[in-house]
Amino acid sequence: DQQVKQNSPSLSVQEGRISILNCDYTNSMFDYFLWYKKYPAEGPTFLISISSIKDKNEDGRFTVFLNKSAKHLSLHIVPSQPGDSAVYFCAAREKGDDKIIFGKGTRLHILP
Amino acid sequence: DAGITQSPRHKVTETGTPVTLRCHQTENHRYMYWYRQDPGHGLRLIHYSYGVKDTDKGEVSDGYSVSRSKTEDFLLTLESATSSQTSVYFCAISGDQLPNEKLFFGSGTQLSVL
Repeated sequence: DQQVKQNSPSLSVQEGRISILNCDYTNSMFDYFLWYKKYPAEGPTFLISISSIKDKNEDGRFTVFLNKSAKHLSLHIVPSQPGDSAVYFCAAREKGDDKIIFGKGTRLHILP
Repeated sequence: DAGITQSPRHKVTETGTPVTLRCHQTENHRYMYWYRQDPGHGLRLIHYSYGVKDTDKGEVSDGYSVSRSKTEDFLLTLESATSSQTSVYFCAISGDQLPNEKLFFGSGTQLSVL
């Protein structure tokens, strides 16, 4: 039973435009959400996170939005750059738990 | 970059043989994790450790065991490897900060079970 769902396996976006990656979750006890980026043959790297007490967190070109009532979060990348082509994982942590649960990932292709 | 070393980086083994993967960290972090990455499944947690000799199961722990006798080392053992355990295995660490949400990952071990 998947608690963190990324329903789009892949996404293609023109360079310079906005990339929007979506993530849904089912566990209302999640209190922290994260996005990781992964290049081939490398380990995932932390990108940005958001606490459940906030609805937005911004870091440069990356913004994460959290809609708790819809159990939905999204990662916005603007403007998209060629180096953003990678697999993006959404992840979540339940309050009081040590485990971090990941989604299946979305492969982002930035087109020239 | 966090000091995490996974060994070996690549391994090919036969069904039924035992396999041990090693994760070594130089950050003195309390928490260590083992994930596997498979197409269509993303990253799935196998086992994790919250201190020396303190471990717990993750989502897909069947067929795997772990040990942590020192802060810096976290071993993942496949007692009798099966073809379904062919995967890329990632070790991750995080610190004592709460919430310990920022995982730092190693470069992975590609394991093929023939």
